[in-house]
Amino acid sequence: DVQMTQSPSYLAASPGESVSISCKASKSIATYLAWYQEKPGKANKLLIYSGSTLQSGTPSRFSGSGSGTDFTLTIRSLEPEDFTVYYCQHYNEYPRTFGGGTKLELK
Amino acid sequence: QVKLLQSGAELVKPGASVKLSCKTSGFTFSTSYMSWLKQVPGPSIEWIGWIYAGDGGTNYNQKFKGKATLTVDKSSSTAYLDLSSLTSEDAAVYFCARGWGVMDAWGQGASVTVSS
Repeated sequence: DVQMTQSPSYLAASPGESVSISCKASKSIATYLAWYQEKPGKANKLLIYSGSTLQSGTPSRFSGSGSGTDFTLTIRSLEPEDFTVYYCQHYNEYPRTFGGGTKLELK
Repeated sequence: QVKLLQSGAELVKPGASVKLSCKTSGFTFSTSYMSWLKQVPGPSIEWIGWIYAGDGGTNYNQKFKGKATLTVDKSSSTAYLDLSSLTSEDAAVYFCARGWGVMDAWGQGASVTVSS
């Protein structure tokens, strides 16, 4: 199975700042990578797929980059609603696997 | 809009089975792939498998073969996850989601507690 390693696990920031979350795959997954946002009491939301393509409705302050084994989710000018948990997931082969998640907290 | 409404929390005894449902609306279910996922505190999300609603074709994570069975009812646009011979390791929140690779819509999750 492809192991997906997210870092950091926890990240503290303030509104208006920019942050980056890393996701590393144990083998090349080309650009078959998605990013999701998890909020309590709400359904998980697809933010980005194919490594860098914004899902319809995803604010432009979110961006994704990377290919092969190294990927990054960047959030610019953090808004209050962005402080939650983010996951990466590959879909290059079976089984699909997820990163361990990054919790973005208010500093 | 796309909606995936999952059944409620379940409390089941060890050794028993449970069937979770995921009622969908807002899209063409019969040509969709539906995935199921398991989340345990950690947090950690595991992909259980997908089912193609059109013909019932499935693809399971090897880890869940023999544990999970995916089915659909096209007449009600509902996907189901059957979990058998439950143990404490099956206690988790289970999600349905649309898609076979990228999962672009998710249910709200259903908690399964295994206890005698």
